[in-house]
Amino acid sequence: SQQGEEDPQALSIQEGENATMNCSYKTSINNLQWYRQNSGRGLVHLILIRSNEREKHSGRLRVTLDTSKKSSSLLITASRAADTASYFCATDAPVGSYIPTFGRGTSLIVHP
Amino acid sequence: GAGVSQSPSNKVTEKGKDVELRCDPISGHTALYWYRQSLGQGLEFLIYFQGNSAPDKSGLPSDRFSAERTGGSVSTLTIQRTQQEDSAVYLCASSYLGPHGAVFYEQYFGPGTRLTVT
Repeated sequence: SQQGEEDPQALSIQEGENATMNCSYKTSINNLQWYRQNSGRGLVHLILIRSNEREKHSGRLRVTLDTSKKSSSLLITASRAADTASYFCATDAPVGSYIPTFGRGTSLIVHP
Repeated sequence: GAGVSQSPSNKVTEKGKDVELRCDPISGHTALYWYRQSLGQGLEFLIYFQGNSAPDKSGLPSDRFSAERTGGSVSTLTIQRTQQEDSAVYLCASSYLGPHGAVFYEQYFGPGTRLTVT
């Protein structure tokens, strides 16, 4: 089944450094989304990138999408301790599916 | 406005008992999803409601799981005869179905219900 798979599974950096997470998926998509989850509770939507877009920015976040490689990356610049969380990508199928598929996530720890 | 709310936030139950988990979606959101997340894992899709259409139950792991959505708003997920492997965080999310069938996939999640089956 189609699934977004994040890489790396865990990432530990110092405050001020950049954090890059990658997501790979298997089949064509309408869009790809990134979410953040703190403390194992509800997810918060960060950014959505459509299949005809290559790059989007939101504050310190930069998302790229390469549909030829079926991959996306999330870059967090100038990271802060508050960015410590798990980050998930979610993909959907192109035809008639409204059900995103989430990967297992990247656990990011930002040390102050 | 108010976000997605879920109750209870925590539930401890004995094996074999039934539990009901509640979700109040954002007003006006026609799509509602239930997911399950085990410790350190991704989200497992359970069931999807869209307006008055028949729900997509393809993710329900067994017939002990059922869900309903009344009046296109509040949803209840019921787990009968709970098992220890049902222990997880159950997340509800809603999203808005735009005009002309355009789907805006941003999902708004509730805080989840942490279910522990002893």
